[in-house]
Amino acid sequence: SSELTQDPAVSVALGQTVRITCQGDSLRSYYASWYQQKPGQAPVLVIYGENNRPSGIPDRFSVSSSGNTASLTITGAQAEDEADYYCNSRDTSGNHVVFGGGTKLTVL
Amino acid sequence: QVQLQQWGAGLLKPSETLSLTCAVYGGSFSGYYWSWIRQPPGKGLEWIGEINHSGSTNYNPSLKSRVTISVDTSKNQFSLKLSSVTAADTAVFYCARGYKKIVPAALGLGYYYSYYMDVWGKGATVTVSS
Repeated sequence: SSELTQDPAVSVALGQTVRITCQGDSLRSYYASWYQQKPGQAPVLVIYGENNRPSGIPDRFSVSSSGNTASLTITGAQAEDEADYYCNSRDTSGNHVVFGGGTKLTVL
Repeated sequence: QVQLQQWGAGLLKPSETLSLTCAVYGGSFSGYYWSWIRQPPGKGLEWIGEINHSGSTNYNPSLKSRVTISVDTSKNQFSLKLSSVTAADTAVFYCARGYKKIVPAALGLGYYYSYYMDVWGKGATVTVSS
């Protein structure tokens, strides 16, 4: 399969914990990578691999995976975390790149 | 610090060919996958295709018949051509650097792959309109 599936929208109260999930067959052999995109801006890589964050990404972002599902967890969500989040990997053949449909996170 | 700078025509008429170029500054060109991604207004990210330093390409099957990605390693640049554009091709186009590696799984239970795009261009808006 070449698809990654995400919930379209999730909300979280300020300071609480939220989980955004991504499902797909390729996630049985690929770690998902996750991107944050704010309006009018390019996506930014926030976490990849087993639990790797690029420089400057806060440690409230973490990931986990089980079977065909990867999860991005934000522990203590902040107002600046309100954005669209996309998961990404290669497909089961390894020859193509796939993105999830994106999850719009609202911080209440 | 690696930076990607992209440019190309922003307004096209239906049936014309879209042409964009992405230059890589401050880093090696080899060892990575160089991708094009697009995002129609109000929609999600769609991968168009990729090329490596030796010119090997992979394309999104839904766009393959219209896409050509090429590389000029002497200039550290890669380019996208999308032929026979229609209004449905109106989007912000991004170039990005991708990296793939094998990661041992926990407890010695085989391995996983890790793929991620760590550097992105700022994006170029392309509008197709008659």
